[in-house]
Amino acid sequence: GDSVTQMEGPVTLSEEAFLTINCTYTATGYPSLFWYVQYPGEGLQLLLKATKADDKGSNKGFEATYRKETTSFHLEKGSVQVSDSAVYFCAQNNAGNMLTFGGGTRLMVKP
Amino acid sequence: KAGVTQTPRYLIKTRGQQVTLSCSPISGHRSVSWYQQTPGQGLQFLFEYFSETQRNKGNFPGRFSGRQFSNSRSEMNVSTLELGDSALYLCASSLETDRPGNTIYFGEGSWLTVV
Repeated sequence: GDSVTQMEGPVTLSEEAFLTINCTYTATGYPSLFWYVQYPGEGLQLLLKATKADDKGSNKGFEATYRKETTSFHLEKGSVQVSDSAVYFCAQNNAGNMLTFGGGTRLMVKP
Repeated sequence: KAGVTQTPRYLIKTRGQQVTLSCSPISGHRSVSWYQQTPGQGLQFLFEYFSETQRNKGNFPGRFSGRQFSNSRSEMNVSTLELGDSALYLCASSLETDRPGNTIYFGEGSWLTVV
């Protein structure tokens, strides 16, 4: 079945460091891919999305490119801030309005 | 534009009781879906409703049910609560189309604790 695998955390970085959170997926067909972020005590916020191969989603300095050949959608940011500390979820949507999520990666950014 | 609104935000129930959670989607959104988030199982899809009909269902027991009203508002119900039902229940809404690229917006969630 469809699945999403992302690197386990926590990922601890110093402010202004480069961030990569790996995400790979398995799916039949051609899913759309998403990154959501969850701040403590809150729901999920859409960070970015890509709907077809080679699309790049971007928002708030975060980027991810849909790589069909490697079935990946890695999240990157050039310079993280303390305010980026949160849990990040990679997800795919292959049919209907049903998202399949990865396990989440907690990011901690220290000043 | 108001976001997805869920009530109540926090609640505590006793084993064996039932609970009803409510969700108001973003105005104009006709699809409402529900997810359960737990530390052990992560985020799991419960079900999706569109035009008052359940369109998709996840792998949960029959104790979990839902419905959607003509104004697109939705409720989910869990009967005979178990300790393992303690979770954050997230409601999400999206436009009526079910294209995979459709953006799905989430509410703040309802925190359920079963004691």
